[in-house]
Formats: sequence, structure tokens, C-alpha cells
Amino acid sequence: QVQLVQSGAELKEPGASVKVSCKASGFPFTDYNIYWLRQAPGQGLEWMGRITPTSGDTKYSQKFEGRVTMTRDTSINTVYMELTRLQSDDKAVYYCARSMAAAGTFDYWGQGTLVSVSS
Amino acid sequence: DIQMTQSPSSVSASVGDRVTITCRASQGLSNWLVWYQQMPGRAPKLLIYATSRLGSGVPSRFSGSGSGTDFTLTISSLQPEDFATYYCQQAYNFPLTFGGGTKVEI
Repeated sequence: QVQLVQSGAELKEPGASVKVSCKASGFPFTDYNIYWLRQAPGQGLEWMGRITPTSGDTKYSQKFEGRVTMTRDTSINTVYMELTRLQSDDKAVYYCARSMAAAGTFDYWGQGTLVSVSS
Repeated sequence: DIQMTQSPSSVSASVGDRVTITCRASQGLSNWLVWYQQMPGRAPKLLIYATSRLGSGVPSRFSGSGSGTDFTLTISSLQPEDFATYYCQQAYNFPLTFGGGTKVEI
């Protein structure tokens, strides 16, 4: 079955970076774009960007441009999202999600990774 | 950026009720509108895509309609497992944007 399994919760200090992983299984990894989204506590959903596993091509939300980097390792069917210069308002649950052929429509999601930022 | 406005922000309903949630976009989306359901502490689940197409395994009591800038999610007969928060999302262009959510409460 299709699964996206994310790495565990992180606690970071302000100014630090975090790298979250998302391991895919149950489908051809290189056939689907993977997106990253986040949800601050009690808030709605926010799109951060996407990566195309075949080429490594990325597209980022302008809000995160310069602070986010998405990469992939096709040998282990895993994508990564690194966010730098963390601030308190970056505290959120970060999700990876698979996009259907209809771009930007997410049919499978990871379980989420809570990133907390505190000194 | 396309702004997505959902209403109401919350609704109180009973099992068996018909519930309607609306989503308005700040510009036309053609039919590139998606609905998700989110339970507390869980990842969102795809309900409807391309305005009216049911996601895999989604019960037929859920339906979507609309075009252009105005869209609707309808639950024809609310079930206990439907008490959740619902989000609309435009898949028309980047940046992808979401509505603020509608919490369906007992």
C-alpha cells in the first residue's frame, strides 16, 4: 500500500536548521511529485513547495524562498525538506504529500512531523 | 496569490443532518478545487478533487459542486465519523492556497 513515512519530532533553537525526511513506499517513487506543507498549531494548511523526484527539480513558495531546500535520494525513495533560520513562528507540523496526476491534488500524506522552536 | 474564503468557520449539526460548506476564490479556478477532511491530530484526507470527483474510498454522501469562483461541499446525511475540519484548496496555480477551514461540530 502507498505510504509516506516521515522522520520524528524535532526541537530546535531559534536560528537553527531542521531537516525532515519522507520515505515513500508502495508506488513508483519517480512517477509522482512530492510536496511539503505545514500547519501551525490551531491554524490552517500552508504550501511550502514541491520536488520532482526524477529530475530533482523544485518549486518553492515565495514565502520560503531562500530558506527552504528540498532534495531527494532516489536510491532509498526518500525526499527531504530543510528549513533554515528557524524562528518561533516556524513551529508547526510539517507534512509531505504525494500529488496526483492532477497537479497540486494530494491523495496520500505523511503522518506529519512536529517541529518546535524554543531556546 | 489566490485567496480562498470558506464559510462558515464552524457549524453545529446533528447526525443525519445535511451540511453545506462554501468556498469562494478571489479569482476563477475553472474546476481546480479540492476538498480535504482533517481529524484532530491527523493528516488531511482527500475527499473531492476537480470540484466534484470523489477520492478513492470516499462515501457517496459527500459531494462537491461549483465552478469559477464559488464552490460547495455537501454532506447529505452527517455521520458520527464526519465530525472534523474541512478545508478547500485551489490547485489552479502556484502558490497553492487553502481556505481557513470549517469545523463541523456536534
